[in-house]
Amino acid sequence: SAVISQKPSRDICQRGTSLTIQCQVDSQVTMMFWYRQQPGQSLTLIATANQGSEATYESGFVIDKFPISRPNLTFSTLTVSNMSPEDSSIYLCSVRGGFNEQYFGPGTRLTVT
Amino acid sequence: DQQVKQNSPSLSVQEGRISILNCDYTNSMFDYFLWYKKYPAEGPTFLISISSIKDKNEDGRFTVFLNKSAKHLSLHIVPSQPGDSAVYFCAASSSGGGADGLTFGKGTHLIIQP
Repeated sequence: SAVISQKPSRDICQRGTSLTIQCQVDSQVTMMFWYRQQPGQSLTLIATANQGSEATYESGFVIDKFPISRPNLTFSTLTVSNMSPEDSSIYLCSVRGGFNEQYFGPGTRLTVT
Repeated sequence: DQQVKQNSPSLSVQEGRISILNCDYTNSMFDYFLWYKKYPAEGPTFLISISSIKDKNEDGRFTVFLNKSAKHLSLHIVPSQPGDSAVYFCAASSSGGGADGLTFGKGTHLIIQP
């Protein structure tokens, strides 16, 4: 399985600001995914990020709010823009494994005040 | 509209006994199902999966059963151990789990009592 790291592990931000979350994988992967887990809720897919192409966003998520970069096969960033308290969540990246399972990073806990 | 439902927010089981976690889904297009385990302050850890062409998959103490007609799956842990105490998420995919992301349930908090 892939080893995935995320930075930062947690942050407290003021409303109206932006935060960029980094995701690093120890092997080259084609597809990376970004999820959000709001308090007491399930994990929700934000977008799928393929290297060399634009990210594909799920219903309810837009590029202006959650811009994603995928500069190479081991790295991706998710930016949470113009934050509000409703953006307080755990943000996780994941990659696909060899048998269609997905492996997750440790998550970034974001609190917006 | 929740497409994957875990109706038990928590479950308490005695050490050594069987833990049974349940999951229901509504989307008939789902063809691949997974269970994840999550400890606080960590990301979800993949446990076991099952394709819709099977009705059972076993890996050590973990067995997943799939009932397609009832749109129901369950995870059995036998015997339950203290380290199994965690939140368990059921997840589903409609593309074999490959090209698409996963749809998750809200999770069941399993507590193993000594």
